[in-house]
Amino acid sequence: NAGVMQNPRHLVRRRGQEARLRCSPMKGHSHVYWYRQLPEEGLKFMVYLQKENIIDESGMPKERFSAEFPKEGPSILRIQQVVRGDSAAYFCASSLPTVVNSPLHFGNGTRLTVT
Amino acid sequence: GENVEQHPSTLSVQEGDSAVIKCTYSDSASNYFPWYKQELGKGPQLIIDIRSNVGEKKDQRIAVTLNKTAKHFSLHITETQPEDSAVYFCAASLPGYSSASKIIFGSGTRLSIRP
Repeated sequence: NAGVMQNPRHLVRRRGQEARLRCSPMKGHSHVYWYRQLPEEGLKFMVYLQKENIIDESGMPKERFSAEFPKEGPSILRIQQVVRGDSAAYFCASSLPTVVNSPLHFGNGTRLTVT
Repeated sequence: GENVEQHPSTLSVQEGDSAVIKCTYSDSASNYFPWYKQELGKGPQLIIDIRSNVGEKKDQRIAVTLNKTAKHFSLHITETQPEDSAVYFCAASLPGYSSASKIIFGSGTRLSIRP
């Protein structure tokens, strides 16, 4: 049973470009979470999605950031017009759909560097 | 919203000794407390979790305790080994939504095991 798959593992973008981060949840998981981790810091919640629905985006910056989890295909975290402050590791996690307080299973992250 | 504080931020122990990491949470409605281990270049991995109806849980060399009245919980690692060196995150989860909940993480403890 494959775990949470994130790609790319590393992404370099120039200021002003767009970054697209992809996440395929574990088989059978329909809940996806995105977290951001700055160097030497903890994980900050960004957004929680179910298939075709954004459930909680309270951690997402109001501008330039968006997320989706379509009926088919991976979840996408999109950052438009990237700035140096967007450089971080972005982790995706997934969980089971039917169990309250289901543990999160994390991918190995995408490390975004903005030059 | 929920706030989770974790300490110490760094911890160095002699191989074979015990390590203790402590966390406090703010929202008394939190009912699920997972602990994650993050190795360099990887995503966080769940190592143990505890629910609010339990005061203590053990899994081999790892144990977690929960004091609901004081709103704090701790991770105990006994007979530490070099492979225990990593960053450890505590987390607290509020119940909510239809079938899953949002997990808030502490800032992490970097544990180093001295040979």
